[in-house]
Amino acid sequence: GAGVSQSPSNKVTEKGKDVELRCDPISGHTALYWYRQSLGQGLEFLIYFQGNSAPDKSGLPSDRFSAERTGGSVSTLTIQRTQQEDSAVYLCASSLASGGRDTYEQYFGPGTRLTVT
Amino acid sequence: GNSVTQMEGPVTLSEEAFLTINCTYTATGYPSLFWYVQYPGEGLQLLLKATKADDKGSNKGFEATYRKETTSFHLEKGSVQVSDSAVYFCALSKNHKLSFGAGTTVTVRA
Repeated sequence: GAGVSQSPSNKVTEKGKDVELRCDPISGHTALYWYRQSLGQGLEFLIYFQGNSAPDKSGLPSDRFSAERTGGSVSTLTIQRTQQEDSAVYLCASSLASGGRDTYEQYFGPGTRLTVT
Repeated sequence: GNSVTQMEGPVTLSEEAFLTINCTYTATGYPSLFWYVQYPGEGLQLLLKATKADDKGSNKGFEATYRKETTSFHLEKGSVQVSDSAVYFCALSKNHKLSFGAGTTVTVRA
């Protein structure tokens, strides 16, 4: 079946502009995650959605970052007033409902490479 | 907090050599442990996992055993191939978040 898809695959933006990154999870997966992969910081958790529960936003680095998930499926990560340090690969993942357990594997999309000039 | 420390690379090996990548973790409770792999130009893929102490995960000739007494999850393969060249990430899952190690780049020469 189809995996996690993300768009765009590459995004170049000017400092100060807003960007939106999109993620389509695997059908039937109710848990969705955003991570960031950068040279300096490695792979970092950003945010987690599970069904209709309030998202876990504990990994968002600043209030310029926000995310939403509409209809329990597609998610959008928005970065406002982008800075050069936001340059990274943004990864989306999905999994079956975690239900408080941590045994389900997360399936990753190909990522969006964001470059802020 | 939760963290993962893995062997720094890069690691360069000849084909058919034995590969070990060390991974240790710090976490409260009982996390699940994973190895993910990123082949050149591709996304992160799950390689193997173990969800409780003494479990052994295995896939594609790779193995790792969840050792709670040493808080370790070392990755091993007995005979590597050129196609195993990739970046390997050790990770733990706790409270639905994955915490990753820094990654180890492995290059296998023919």
